[in-house]
Amino acid sequence: QVTLRESGPALVKPTETLTLTCTFSGFSLSTGQMCVNWVRQPPGKPLEWLALIDWEDDKFYSLSLKTRLTISKDTSKNQVVLTLTTVGPADSGTYFCARSPTAYYHYMDAWGKGTTVTVSS
Amino acid sequence: DIVVTQSPDSLAVSLGERATINCKSSQSLLHSSNNKNYLAWYQQRPGQSPKLLIYWASIRESGVPDRFSGSGSGTDFTLTISSLQAEDVAVYYCQQYYSLSNFGQGTKVEIK
Repeated sequence: QVTLRESGPALVKPTETLTLTCTFSGFSLSTGQMCVNWVRQPPGKPLEWLALIDWEDDKFYSLSLKTRLTISKDTSKNQVVLTLTTVGPADSGTYFCARSPTAYYHYMDAWGKGTTVTVSS
Repeated sequence: DIVVTQSPDSLAVSLGERATINCKSSQSLLHSSNNKNYLAWYQQRPGQSPKLLIYWASIRESGVPDRFSGSGSGTDFTLTISSLQAEDVAVYYCQQYYSLSNFGQGTKVEIK
């Protein structure tokens, strides 16, 4: 059974760096040809794809947020970490991690429940 | 950047009736190397995370009821719910994965 779980701070101050962790089970990023994505959703707004990392440690970022995002993985812990620098109120929302079942075709077949982040002083 | 635009933004359909959602891409999502359309559809019920319904534009994910179907090619795609059920009330998103990834703005489906 594939599961993903997001974790991180519920409240972050403007200009700080947000660090989120996705802990997953039921698949491997070291041997399986898969990817983990991060997707966010501001309150009442659409989904926004942020980044993905694949089993070969290739990384891809949203063009609009590329300069502020870093994605990394720790295969020994089955974790993927996303950092977003210099946050502002527009970065508030629910952040999801999701698996793509292949390294080359990035539809997402398993999602975490999401973690809610509020950016406020 | 490929932009995907959904229509309508919302629709209300009677139980048992057909619901149709459209998704238009700013560039063709049909890849010549494998003749596949790099488009997926998701359902997001209130308070829940998204759920994959359709990938490759028309392949139903395992466990998804067959009242959900996807069609289209190139730049124009459609998600059809053939007979709307109460549990289908949700926001539906299309996603292109031809170049990086983008979602449409969502279509809210309600019961009339």
